[in-house]
Amino acid sequence: QQQVKQSPQSLIVQKGGIPIINCAYENTAFDYFPWYQQFPGKGPALLIAIRPDVSEKKEGRFTISFNKSAKQFSLHIMDSQPGDSATYFCAARGGNKLTFGTGTQLKVEL
Amino acid sequence: GAVVSQHPSRVICKSGTSVKIECRSLDFQATTMFWYRQFPKQSLMLMATSNEGSKATYEQGVEKDKFLINHASLTLSTLTVTSAHPEDSSFYICSASSPGLAGGLNEQFFGPGTRLTVL
Repeated sequence: QQQVKQSPQSLIVQKGGIPIINCAYENTAFDYFPWYQQFPGKGPALLIAIRPDVSEKKEGRFTISFNKSAKQFSLHIMDSQPGDSATYFCAARGGNKLTFGTGTQLKVEL
Repeated sequence: GAVVSQHPSRVICKSGTSVKIECRSLDFQATTMFWYRQFPKQSLMLMATSNEGSKATYEQGVEKDKFLINHASLTLSTLTVTSAHPEDSSFYICSASSPGLAGGLNEQFFGPGTRLTVL
């Protein structure tokens, strides 16, 4: 019940494309859903986050869509660039603990 | 703001020795610090949660006698890997949070990680 399922495991898009990463959860007690970007050998950095009472949030080129009834949320990256190539993790917070998804390795090709 | 540092960034040690990793919140007071472990191409797994001045709370399956956590001040937590073995080789990441940060969202801010290699 504490798992967060993330897909796809890896993703390749062309520059300017819109990669979409999906996550699903079971625990309805989760109250906060952040997305993190991680480059090799670095710690994760917060990209954008959403609360379950909001269906969509946009910050710059990053958009989270949230479907509370389906217990699913997704990250869209608009106008993707080679510099966006990284591993992306969704997460869900219950209490003060974060449960991370399994990660998506994104590669943006020229 | 909300910067978290870790030291060292990488460490190599011999099997059987102990290694200490420091995690510092540089520009805020962290009421809670978290330690994660990440194996190559895998996700972050929470090892323990610590509050300043209290004993750490370990996740199921994490040996508290092997991974000693001390949160002596509001800006410093340490993780000591005792009697390290090659299977302890991993990327260790800390994070810190404070209820007053990020508009009260109690966001976790992550350090850059420490790569531990045990020979």
